[in-house]
Amino acid sequence: DGGITQSPKYLFRKEGQNVTLSCEQNLNHDAMYWYRQDPGQGLRLIYYSQIVNDFQKGDIAEGYSVSREKKESFPLTVTSAQKNPTAFYLCASSVMTPLNQPQHFGDGTRLSIL
Amino acid sequence: KNQVEQSPQSLIILEGKNCTLQCNYTVSPFSNLRWYKQDTGRGPVSLTIMTFSENTKSNGRYTATLDADTKQSSLHITASQLSDSASYICVVRATGNQFYFGTGTSLTVIP
Repeated sequence: DGGITQSPKYLFRKEGQNVTLSCEQNLNHDAMYWYRQDPGQGLRLIYYSQIVNDFQKGDIAEGYSVSREKKESFPLTVTSAQKNPTAFYLCASSVMTPLNQPQHFGDGTRLSIL
Repeated sequence: KNQVEQSPQSLIILEGKNCTLQCNYTVSPFSNLRWYKQDTGRGPVSLTIMTFSENTKSNGRYTATLDADTKQSSLHITASQLSDSASYICVVRATGNQFYFGTGTSLTVIP
């Protein structure tokens, strides 16, 4: 079945450590997105990519980095510069057109600080 | 400023009862509005999409409405079930590739 796979489901980070969250899709979607979800807040865009080897900062990109070397993969690295990384991270993908097609979401990675 | 506001923030209803969730937006230019259901610890799943020309659309026990003039949408759930307990998120897509998310309504259905 086509879909988006995020791993791991739970992740713990030590102080000063970088961690990488995996996101893989087999939907043949051009666009991929990373969102952060905190309690009581809407999803906030971290980074997005519309094509391989290109990506754009979202609203809260500081302390995060991404790569898009393959169409299927869009990993997110949470760096030590991100001082409040505890959150639920969601990866999504979509076609660029038509506009009535939905974003498809993975089941998220919950990141906590040790 | 492009914004999406949802109300109520949380809601508790008895199993079998109906409920209505609200979404107001100021996004422009508007392309479509989509309602998602997000179970705890899972990613959001699309329930229904509303475009500018649509007033009402149903998906089983879920009925969405859109008033493009007042920029309001509602999601009505009929004969609620325990499995309806989730967060419901309203997402407005602007023309292009920009999505605006509401903060969601947390629905709890109790027996």
